[in-house]
Amino acid sequence: AQSVAQPEDQVNVAEGNPLTVKCTYSVSGNPYLFWYVQYPNRGLQFLLKYITGDNLVKGSYGFEAEFNKSQTSFHLKKPSALVSDSALYFCAVRVADSGYELNFGKGTSLLVTP
Amino acid sequence: GAVVSQHPSRVICKSGTSVKIECRSLDFQATTMFWYRQFPKKSLMLMATSNEGSKATYEQGVEKDKFLINHASLTLSTLTVTSAHPEDSSFYICSARDILGSYEQYFGPGTRLTVT
Repeated sequence: AQSVAQPEDQVNVAEGNPLTVKCTYSVSGNPYLFWYVQYPNRGLQFLLKYITGDNLVKGSYGFEAEFNKSQTSFHLKKPSALVSDSALYFCAVRVADSGYELNFGKGTSLLVTP
Repeated sequence: GAVVSQHPSRVICKSGTSVKIECRSLDFQATTMFWYRQFPKKSLMLMATSNEGSKATYEQGVEKDKFLINHASLTLSTLTVTSAHPEDSSFYICSARDILGSYEQYFGPGTRLTVT
C-alpha cells in the first residue's frame, strides 16, 4: 500500500530564512506526489504536484519541491519564509494507475516567526 | 477556477438527529468526490469515495449506514450523518476530481460538526 511520512510534527523558521518541510513516500509503483496547505478551520489548498518530468516542481506562493527517487523523498521548500506561510502542510501520494484517492501524511505545522 | 464549496460551514446538532453536508463543484464537473474526516491536529482520514450515479465506496471501518453519501449529479455530493453522536463531532472535508481527468483533487473549505 502507498503511504507518505512526514517525520516532523512542527517546523520553526525565522522570517526570511529558507524552509524545508520533509516528506518521504513508500509505494509499489510510480508515485504521484502532492503538497497541500491548510490554514486554521479551512480546507486544503493545492500547492504543487509531481507526476513526471523535471524533478524540481514549482508551485504556488513561491514553494517548490524536489522529487528524489533514490531517497524516496519529496521535500517542500521555499527560499525565504513569510509569517503568512505559517500553516499546516500535508504531503499526499497516489499511485499511478490506481484509484484516484490520496493517502495523506500526518501533516507538519510550520511556524514562521518575525 | 476549480472551486469547491461546502454547506454549511458550521453546524451544531443534538444527539440522535441527522445532519446533511453538501459539497458542490462550482465551475467544473466532478465524476468523483471524496469525503474526509479530520480530527484536531490530525491528518485527513478518507471516509468514502463518491462516484456520480453509483454507490459510494466506503473505507474500512466507516459505517455506510451512518454516513450516507449521495452523488446525484456531476456537481453535488451530500454526506448525511445519521443519528449523530458526540463522537461524530469533527471537521468534514470534501474534495472533487475534475471530469477532465486532472490528477489533483480540489478541496472544499470544510464543515465543522458539533454534536451536543
